[in-house]
Amino acid sequence: QKEVEQNSGPLSVPEGAIASLNCTYSDRVSQSFFWYRQYSGKSPELIMSIYSNGDKEDGRFTAQLNKASQYVSLLIRDSQPSDSATYLCAVNREDSSYKLIFGSGTRLLVRP
Amino acid sequence: DADVTQTPRNRITKTGKRIMLECSQTKGHDRMYWYRQDPGLGLRLIYYSFDVKDINKGEISDGYSVSRQAQAKFSLSLESAIPNQTALYFCATSDLVGVNTGELFFGEGSRLTVL
Repeated sequence: QKEVEQNSGPLSVPEGAIASLNCTYSDRVSQSFFWYRQYSGKSPELIMSIYSNGDKEDGRFTAQLNKASQYVSLLIRDSQPSDSATYLCAVNREDSSYKLIFGSGTRLLVRP
Repeated sequence: DADVTQTPRNRITKTGKRIMLECSQTKGHDRMYWYRQDPGLGLRLIYYSFDVKDINKGEISDGYSVSRQAQAKFSLSLESAIPNQTALYFCATSDLVGVNTGELFFGEGSRLTVL
């Protein structure tokens, strides 16, 4: 089992719709969770972080965390074609050495 | 200019050749990382360094070595390249705050093809 799992997609949604991206993780002691966006041919950039159960909103983006279910999601409201990218979920292991473990990413396509 | 610079950006080489990928940063961060990205496998950590004297293996260090020449420079070497090392390689940096916030700053990537 991969430590961080994501559906590879592509997830296709029409412009203006809500895109829902999901991620599960296997290490129960993971404490910090992140979403990175990667445009084709570009490097990843951090868009959201979440540390406690519940929702965290930032503009059109909402991250949701449920530690009991080991599940983290990213909702994108009013999706735009410019949101088309691969979204990488990343988890910080709770041990003495810091390193992010990434999922394989979900490709999102927003249709005009 | 980019804060995290990788050279070369593209490289095609042959099996058995030694290859070095270089990374330099102007962000003043202590922590530097090398990741490789393969389709369907996401980003996997090869090596990381928390300061000049601290080098640590990541998930997939076999076949790779690194050198932290200075706070700002971190290079990745493939001593004898093989075709399954064909991938997109990213250098990344973070500071102590970044450790807690999860913010890694990535270079533009180095695409390596081993024939």
